[in-house]
Amino acid sequence: AQSVSQHNHHVILSEAASLELGCNYSYGGTVNLFWYVQYPGQHLQLLLKYFSGDPLVKGIKGFEAEFIKSKFSFNLRKPSVQWSDTAEYFCAVSLTGNQFYFGTGTSLTVIP
Amino acid sequence: DTGVSQDPRHKITKRGQNVTFRCDPISEHNRLYWYRQTLGQGPEFLTYFQNEAQLEKSRLLSDRFSAERPKGSFSTLEIQRTEQGDSAMYLCASSLGVSNTEAFFGQGTRLTVV
Repeated sequence: AQSVSQHNHHVILSEAASLELGCNYSYGGTVNLFWYVQYPGQHLQLLLKYFSGDPLVKGIKGFEAEFIKSKFSFNLRKPSVQWSDTAEYFCAVSLTGNQFYFGTGTSLTVIP
Repeated sequence: DTGVSQDPRHKITKRGQNVTFRCDPISEHNRLYWYRQTLGQGPEFLTYFQNEAQLEKSRLLSDRFSAERPKGSFSTLEIQRTEQGDSAMYLCASSLGVSNTEAFFGQGTRLTVV
């Protein structure tokens, strides 16, 4: 079955710590990859996206993600987290413009 | 605000009642999606439209659920004979409907069935 897996359900970090959130997908064809963020009380917002080209993509607020095709992975990273990064993070896959499949999300808590 | 708009933001209903939610997508977007999200889960796909045509429906969408997008602009999602298990956040998103594009989400409608 097609799926998106996020391995970390809840991550707690201190400010300035580095972050890496894992995402794996199971689709074999051409995919578009996304990370969305949901801050408390707000709607889902796009953090970054990958369509093609350089597998290392940079997003807003210092986030980046690396697409590794051989591992079907699209991990999210940030060198130094801030308290304001506390949010729910969702990895998503789109099969070339059709529906978007989401992972179960990772709740990040950053302690000041 | 030219983003995706959903109405109402919150809905409390008694079991067995019908409810209808509305979504207004970004104006130039021809693709519109409905998702359901429960606590601790990611958004689960329900259905999507390309203009007024409903292209795909998830198995999650039982026959009590119906969605329409009559003129290819706003969309409605109706749930008939609501059950407690229908309590969730219902999300609407829209996109340009081309290969390389992202979806833009609304604030969602939180449904509570009592």
